Amino acid sequence: GAVVSQHPSWVICKSGTSVKIECRSLDFQATTMFWYRQFPKQSLMLMATSNEGSKATYEQGVEKDKFLINHASLTLSTLTVTSAHPEDSSFYICSARFGSSYNEQFFGPGTRLTVL
Amino acid sequence: SQQGEEDPQALSIQEGENATMNCSYKTSINNLQWYRQNSGRGLVHLILIRSNEREKHSGRLRVTLDTSKKSSSLLITASRAADTASYFCATAATSGSRLTFGEGTQLTVNP
Repeated sequence: GAVVSQHPSWVICKSGTSVKIECRSLDFQATTMFWYRQFPKQSLMLMATSNEGSKATYEQGVEKDKFLINHASLTLSTLTVTSAHPEDSSFYICSARFGSSYNEQFFGPGTRLTVL
Repeated sequence: SQQGEEDPQALSIQEGENATMNCSYKTSINNLQWYRQNSGRGLVHLILIRSNEREKHSGRLRVTLDTSKKSSSLLITASRAADTASYFCATAATSGSRLTFGEGTQLTVNP
């Protein structure tokens, strides 16, 4: 089946530092990748949609200068949380999809970010 | 804002019993999907039902969709302790569009 990995699985950083999270599709080419954020005991909130080779589309209320997304290849997307603050602590999950008509998204295992 | 609302928010049952979770949504959809999430983990896709389908089965799972009521239900039969997880519905307005997730139901199956 389709496998999506994320790295790192967890990260602890100091306030003000930047953190990069990688999302890889291991056995398929992901034309579209999605980044979600999930706070404890809450649902997934879509942050942005990225298509390979083009700029990401951010959801309303998500700061594009703070959450930098790069989708440089069909198997890799990165999310960089710049100048992280404690309120950015959350579970970040990516998903990947191939094609435009096949709607199933394959989800990564998530990255737990804790900002001290 | 979340499209989907799920109830109950939490459900605790004994192993062997059936578990039913409901999801309601507000706007027209192309399809609705159910996912499972174990604590602190990513999501696992369970089943997709399209707007022109009324019922779908996969193993111990049965999903129904009532587009007139804008609601769906997920039934897990003969539950097992390993079914303990959060279950989310997600809707897509068109084929290939973004998913909007519901609030989720936390299911606990007691051995």
